[in-house]
Amino acid sequence: AQTVTQSQPEMSVQEAETVTLSCTYDTSESDYYLFWYKQPPSRQMILVIRQEAYKQQNATENRFSVNFQKAAKSFSLKISDSQLGDAAMYFCAYRRDQGAQKLVFGQGTRLTINP
Amino acid sequence: KAGVTQTPRYLIKTRGQQVTLSCSPISGHRSVSWYQQTPGQGLQFLFEYFSETQRNKGNFPGRFSGRQFSNSRSEMNVSTLELGDSALYLCASSPRFGTGYEQYFGPGTRLTVT
Repeated sequence: AQTVTQSQPEMSVQEAETVTLSCTYDTSESDYYLFWYKQPPSRQMILVIRQEAYKQQNATENRFSVNFQKAAKSFSLKISDSQLGDAAMYFCAYRRDQGAQKLVFGQGTRLTINP
Repeated sequence: KAGVTQTPRYLIKTRGQQVTLSCSPISGHRSVSWYQQTPGQGLQFLFEYFSETQRNKGNFPGRFSGRQFSNSRSEMNVSTLELGDSALYLCASSPRFGTGYEQYFGPGTRLTVT
């Protein structure tokens, strides 16, 4: 079974600084998708960024980028120019390439932005 | 386009009762998945439905059941509620079943069992 591990329960960063959230996963499959979701206090899960395992290029969405290391099974999220609105729980998630939409989530990292 | 809606948003039930939660996917979306979120266990997959058929089921007891209607709306039912069923129940929809489709989450239903 696939597993996702986020080793940082909490992180904090100064506003306008850069922060990196870590995620590792375990799978025997070669094709899959990885995601970072953001869950603010409203509890609404919001997709931040996604990475297809077959793509070597790291995904980027504005201030958010990932460092995908397939061999190391590592998928970190970098947030540049942190803003107060970035404060939330961040979840790393894995999904198989074929069939089910089932997402396997990590335990989450609570990110605090200090003004 | 309206997002995923879940009703009710908050619910308080007593042990032993049963509860039904509803999820309306984004218009045109035909796949619906359910997740349970608790502080102890995190986010866990419950079920996935597409075209009124359950396509995948998580590791939950038989007290948890669900269904999907022809208009893609989905319901989940929990019978004989236990204190441990207190959780945020999230529904997510996507256009199709299978690879490559994003999941969009609803705001969740907060269930408290007393």
